[in-house]
Amino acid sequence: TQLLEQSPQFLSIQEGENLTVYCNSSSVFSSLQWYRQEPGEGPVLLVTVVTGGEVKKLKRLTFQFGDARKDSSLHITAAQPGDTGLYLCAGYSNSGYALNFGKGTSLLVTP
Amino acid sequence: GAVVSQHPSRVICKSGTSVKIECRSLDFQATTMFWYRQFPKQSLMLMATSNEGSKATYEQGVEKDKFLINHASLTLSTLTVTSAHPEDSSFYICSGARPRETQYFGPGTRLLVL
Repeated sequence: TQLLEQSPQFLSIQEGENLTVYCNSSSVFSSLQWYRQEPGEGPVLLVTVVTGGEVKKLKRLTFQFGDARKDSSLHITAAQPGDTGLYLCAGYSNSGYALNFGKGTSLLVTP
Repeated sequence: GAVVSQHPSRVICKSGTSVKIECRSLDFQATTMFWYRQFPKQSLMLMATSNEGSKATYEQGVEKDKFLINHASLTLSTLTVTSAHPEDSSFYICSGARPRETQYFGPGTRLLVL
C-alpha cells in the first residue's frame, strides 16, 4: 500500500491568515488529488496534479506537486470561515483503480 | 460534473439486522464503483472495488460475507451490511468511475447500529 502522510492533522486559524498543508509519501504517484470534505458529506475534488513541479491555482488555493512526484502541498491565502473542512490528499494505487487517501487535515477558520 | 447519489442518507437499525445502502450514478455509466468507510475524525478507508457484472474485490481485513456488494448495472451498486453490530456504525461513502477517469463521490450514508 502506498501511504500518504498529511500534516498537520489539525489546524485552527483566524480569518485572514495563510496556511499550508502537506502531503508526503515515499512512493511515486502518477498523479495526486486534493479533496475537501464537509461534515456529513462526501469529499469534493478540488484539483488533480499530474506533472512533477506543477503548480495549480484555484482562487485563493495554490496546489503544488513535488518534482519527484512523491509529495504535494496546498497553500491557502487569506483563509475564510468557508474554507473550514477536512482536506484530503489521495493518489491512485499501483493497480490504477483504487484511491489511497491520506489521513486528512482538519481545518477550522474562525471569524 | 458527474453526480453520484446514495440512499438512504442516514439509517438507524437494531443490532443483528441487515441494512442495504444504494449508490447510483445519475448521469454517467460507472463501470467501476468503490465503497469506502469513514470513522469519526478519520480518513476514507477503501472497503471494496466492484466492476459491473463481476464479483467485488475486497480490501484486506474487510469481511466479504458481512459486507455484501452487488453491482448489477452500470448505474447501481448496493452495499448490504449483514447482521450489523454497533462497531459497524460509520459513514459509508461510494464513488463511481468510468475507465481511467476520475472517481465521483456520493454524499455518504450515516449508519448507526444500536
